[in-house]
Amino acid sequence: AQKVTQAQTEISVVEKEDVTLDCVYETRDTTYYLFWYKQPPSGELVFLIRRNSFDEQNEISGRYSWNFQKSTSSFNFTITASQVVDSAVYFCALSEGIDTGRRALTFGSGTRLQVQP
Amino acid sequence: NAGVTQTPKFRVLKTGQSMTLLCAQDMNHEYMYWYRQDPGMGLRLIHYSVGEGTTAKGEVPDGYNVSRLKKQNFLLGLESAAPSQTSVYFCASRLSGSTDTQYFGPGTRLTVL
Repeated sequence: AQKVTQAQTEISVVEKEDVTLDCVYETRDTTYYLFWYKQPPSGELVFLIRRNSFDEQNEISGRYSWNFQKSTSSFNFTITASQVVDSAVYFCALSEGIDTGRRALTFGSGTRLQVQP
Repeated sequence: NAGVTQTPKFRVLKTGQSMTLLCAQDMNHEYMYWYRQDPGMGLRLIHYSVGEGTTAKGEVPDGYNVSRLKKQNFLLGLESAAPSQTSVYFCASRLSGSTDTQYFGPGTRLTVL
């Protein structure tokens, strides 16, 4: 069975600090996708990034960056120079393998990030 | 292009009442999913559909039924609501053969008294 662990339940930082959200996953599949979603206080789920299991290149998008390390089964998310608008719950998710048919997502329990002004 | 929409946004039920949550997508996606979100537990899969006319159980299907009569709609039914079904319900859809990105609706907050 798949599993996604987000050990940090809640993180509080002051604006402009850098913050890293950890995600560790377990899967027996050789091909899979990893995701990060953001859930702001308004409640919707916003897709941030998708990473293929064969692509271990780090990715940067503005103040956001992601570090995927297959050797440690981790897919960490860093926000540089955090802003109050970054305050949200962040979910890491793992897709099921190709042979499952349904390709559902397994979610971590989420990390609540509070950025204080 | 509205993406994924959910109706209603909020609902309060009494124990034993029934209701149907509607999910609609206009992206011509084959796959649709219903998840529930409970505090501290992330999202869990209730039911899913891989195409029009097909449905299947997810991880927490008890107390729910679903139907997919039209490709764009996926209905989640509660026949006899229980307080344990108090949750936020999210619908998602994705394209077959794609890179697995699921697009989520805005959620339905359901309270069962």
